[in-house]
Amino acid sequence: GAGVSQSPRYKVTKRGQDVALRCDPISGHVSLYWYRQALGQGPEFLTYFNYEAQQDKSGLPNDRFSAERPEGSISTLTIQRTEQRDSAMYRCASSLWHRGEDTQYFGPGTRLTVL
Amino acid sequence: KNQVEQSPQSLIILEGKNCTLQCNYTVSPFSNLRWYKQDTGRGPVSLTIMTFSENTKSNGRYTATLDADTKQSSLHITASQLSDSASYICVVSADQGGKLIFGQGTELSVKP
Repeated sequence: GAGVSQSPRYKVTKRGQDVALRCDPISGHVSLYWYRQALGQGPEFLTYFNYEAQQDKSGLPNDRFSAERPEGSISTLTIQRTEQRDSAMYRCASSLWHRGEDTQYFGPGTRLTVL
Repeated sequence: KNQVEQSPQSLIILEGKNCTLQCNYTVSPFSNLRWYKQDTGRGPVSLTIMTFSENTKSNGRYTATLDADTKQSSLHITASQLSDSASYICVVSADQGGKLIFGQGTELSVKP
C-alpha cells in the first residue's frame, strides 16, 4: 500500500514569505507526527496529532509555526514569515495508533530552503 | 532536561565485522526506546522498539539491549554488510509515546 507522502518535496522561498507543507499519512493511521531535521543532525520533534486533535505542540520553535489536521487525515505545517534559520528537512510520520510501541512510518520529507 | 546521547559519533568497520553502538538517555517519564536506521537522503526506518520491561530485542542481524536502571541502550550489529552503512539514531519516547527525543546518531561506514 502507499506510504506516507509529503509535498512539495522541495521548496525554495524568500525570507518573509509564508509556506505550507503537506503530509498525507498512511490510510487509517490515527497518529501523525511532524519533525524537523537540520543537515547532519537527528530529527527534532515538532508536534503530533491523534485524529484531528493536536496533542503536543511543545516542539514548535515559536509562534510562526503552526500545524493542523482538520479532518484527522492530511496535515499541514505552516511557517509564517519564514527566516533563513527555518531552512531544514521537514519530515512527517504516521503510526496506526498512539500507543508508543507502534512503529512510526516516515515520509520522504520536504526540503525547505529560505533565501 | 530530556536528552539522548549517542557514541561514537562515527564508526568505520570492515565488512563482516561486528560493532556496538551506545545510547545514554535522561528522559522522564520513559515510555520506550527505539533504534532507527537512516540512509543518506532517506527517512528513518525503525529497527527495534523496547518498552521498560524489555531487556533485549532482535531484528535479524540487529540486537538492541536496554538497561532501564542505568538508562543505557546498545545496538549490536553482527556480520556487518556494506548496506549497513547509514546513520543509526537512538530515540527515546516520553509522555506515553507522543514525544520523541532523538539522539544525534552514529554514522556507520562499512568498508569492503
